[in-house]
Order: sequence, then C-alpha cells, then structure tokens
Amino acid sequence: GAGVSQSPSNKVTEKGKDVELRCDPISGHTALYWYRQSLGQGLEFLIYFQGNSAPDKSGLPSDRFSAERTGGSVSTLTIQRTQQEDSAVYLCASSLLGVRHFGPGTRLLVL
Amino acid sequence: KNEVEQSPQNLTAQEGEFITINCSYSVGISALHWLQQHPGGGIVSLFMLSSGKKKHGRLIATINIQEKHSSLHITASHPRDSAVYICAVRETSGSRLTFGEGTQLTVNP
Repeated sequence: GAGVSQSPSNKVTEKGKDVELRCDPISGHTALYWYRQSLGQGLEFLIYFQGNSAPDKSGLPSDRFSAERTGGSVSTLTIQRTQQEDSAVYLCASSLLGVRHFGPGTRLLVL
Repeated sequence: KNEVEQSPQNLTAQEGEFITINCSYSVGISALHWLQQHPGGGIVSLFMLSSGKKKHGRLIATINIQEKHSSLHITASHPRDSAVYICAVRETSGSRLTFGEGTQLTVNP
C-alpha cells in the first residue's frame, strides 16, 4: 500500500520568504510527526499530532514555525520568514501502533 | 550530555563480519526504536522494542531496561547494510522521540 508521501521533494527559497511543506500520512494512522535533520546533524523532533488532541509543539524551534493537520489526515508545516539555518531535510512520519513510518522528506535550502 | 548516546559513531567492517551498535539512554522510556537511514536519506524503521529481544532476518535488537542500554546486531554483514543506524527513545512522559546521533556503518566487500 501507499506509504507516507511528502511534497515538494526539494524546495529552494530566498531568505525571508515563507514556505509550506506537505505530508500525506498513511491512511488510518492517527499519529503524525514532523522531524528535522540538518546537515551532519541528528534527527530533531518538531511537532506531534495525535487524533483530535492538542498537538505537542514543544519541538518547534521558534514562532516562525507552525503546523496544522486538517481532518486528521494531511499535515502542513509552515515556516515564515525563512532563515538560512532553517535549511534541512524535513521528515514526516505517521504511526498507528507506535512504529513510525517515515516519508521521503523535503529537502529545504534557504539561500 | 545527550539523553541518547550511540557508539561507535563510525564503523567500518568487512563483508561477513558480525556487527554491534550500542545505544545508551538516560531517561525513562516506554519504547526504543532502531532506524536505518540510507545514503539517499530514506528512513526505515527496523525495530520497536520495550523489553527483551527481537529478530528480523540478520538483524537482532536487544534492550536491557534496568541498564538503559540497547544493542543492534547484524550477522553476516553485507555491503548493502551500509547506512546510518539511529537509536531513538520514546520517553514515558509522552510520544515524542529523542534521537541518538547515529552510527555510520560501512561494510566493504
């Protein structure tokens, strides 16, 4: 069956612009996670959605970052006024019973 | 000190060798994940375990909750096993994962 998909796969933007990254989780998965992996760094948790509960936003690095999950399915991660240090691979994962299924990631480059 | 520490950071082996990657953590956890990240960046979940031992093909993962330690073993290693192996723990206080820095494994033919 279809796995987690993310779009775009690559995004190049200028400093100061806003970007939106999209994640389509596996159908039926109630949990959705966003992670970030900067060049040469480990994975970093950003935000977690579980069903209709309030999201766990504790990993968002600044108020320029926000995410929403509409209808318990698709999620959008928005970065406003992008900075060069936002350049990273943004990974989405979904899960039903704990095992994370990762998407291919969106590679973001802020010039 | 990181909450999740892996060792070694880099590991080079010859095809056929038995490989062990270690993960130690300092927080209370409800589960531990082993992930594999290929050179292209794709991440695959290998194991999720909370006690004991799991085996899948040539991969074996063990965890000792009392010692806060887990190991990932690869038997009869193969060049296609070359990847970054990441340990991640789910803390008992929530569902977020805390990741280790990863172990870069290179298996030479």
